[in-house]
Amino acid sequence: EPEVTQTPSHQVTQMGQEVILRCVPISNHLYFYWYRQILGQKVEFLVSFYNNEISEKSEIFDDQFSVERPDGSNFTLKIRSTKLEDSAMYFCASSERDRVTYEQYFGPGTRLTVT
Amino acid sequence: DAKTTQPNSMESNEEEPVHLPCNHSTISGTDYIHWYRQLPSQGPEYVIHGLTSNVNNRMASLAIAEDRKSSTLILHRATLRDAAVYYCILRAGAGSYQLTFGKGTKLSVIP
Repeated sequence: EPEVTQTPSHQVTQMGQEVILRCVPISNHLYFYWYRQILGQKVEFLVSFYNNEISEKSEIFDDQFSVERPDGSNFTLKIRSTKLEDSAMYFCASSERDRVTYEQYFGPGTRLTVT
Repeated sequence: DAKTTQPNSMESNEEEPVHLPCNHSTISGTDYIHWYRQLPSQGPEYVIHGLTSNVNNRMASLAIAEDRKSSTLILHRATLRDAAVYYCILRAGAGSYQLTFGKGTKLSVIP
């Protein structure tokens, strides 16, 4: 069964450093998402992306964050200058369509630890 | 998205059916009811969704009340692998397609 993959599984970085989290969505999917989950808290939506554009973003997704689809397979989340509060699990998801009847497939996540 | 209410936790014995309730009294006519689950240390996983009629798939069944103000996710025979947090999510028929997760119900399965 096709699956979403994410690398690395765990990233440790120092405060103020830039990080790039990578995702490979399911190959025929057109819609891509990033979510995050701070330890012990809810899963929170960050951004959705379609046709090389952001289609929706949350208040969390400020100027420190950016997303990109640099080639036909990867989807990345960049945090320009990490803060301690960025420590969380980051989940990438993809869906075939953006219709409400289509499910989102999630990757296993990248654990980001900012020290 | 409209608000849902779920119990914080539930327990089930292995190989017995589990009924996970969800209240959504402010649901609108075009809101779909989705269920996702999150196994320990994994990303969320789609389980099932429905609009008005009851639905079955290989993972579970979804029973929707006639007034649509509540629904129940049914796992017919709980296994240890079903221990997870289960999220009931309402998704609008049009507009935003992000998933809005609540705290969900943490299901423990007792061997």
